Amino acid sequence: NAGVMQNPRHLVRRRGQEARLRCSPMKGHSHVYWYRQLPEEGLKFMVYLQKENIIDESGMPKERFSAEFPKEGPSILRIQQVVRGDSAAYFCASGQGGDTQYFGPGTRLTVL
Amino acid sequence: SQQGEEDPQALSIQEGENATMNCSYKTSINNLQWYRQNSGRGLVHLILIRSNEREKHSGRLRVTLDTSKKSSSLLITASRAADTASYFCATGQAGTALIFGKGTTLSVSS
Repeated sequence: NAGVMQNPRHLVRRRGQEARLRCSPMKGHSHVYWYRQLPEEGLKFMVYLQKENIIDESGMPKERFSAEFPKEGPSILRIQQVVRGDSAAYFCASGQGGDTQYFGPGTRLTVL
Repeated sequence: SQQGEEDPQALSIQEGENATMNCSYKTSINNLQWYRQNSGRGLVHLILIRSNEREKHSGRLRVTLDTSKKSSSLLITASRAADTASYFCATGQAGTALIFGKGTTLSVSS
């Protein structure tokens, strides 16, 4: 049973470009969570999705950031017009709505 | 804002010694979880303790929870070099976002 998969593992973008981060949850999991980790910091919640629905986006910046979890395919976190401050590790976690979340290896975004 | 705050921020010990990390939190919780993160990697779930539990064991790990003091501790006994990692506590309720502390960086030297 494969774990949570994220791709790409590393992503380099220039300021103003778009970044698309993908997350495939564990088999059987319908809940996806996105977190961001800045250097030397803990993880900060961004958004919580179930299939085709955004449940909680209270941690996501109002502008430039969006997330989706379509009926088919992975969850996508999209960052438009990236800025240097977006450089971070972005982690996806999946679960079945219970207490435990299972994390992917993360995507490290570098904005030049 | 951070819910949990780990203490100490960094800890260096020798192999075979015990490592103790503490976590304090602010609001009422249903459960508290500990995760490990190796450098440049994702988070690995270690252990979950519920608010009605006081102590829990898993292999060389022992977690305690004191809800009156809003604190938890993670003890790693007989540490190994492979235990070198950052350790985070996280709080949350079923199906909701986890709130993480800033972590304790543990370095175990052989």
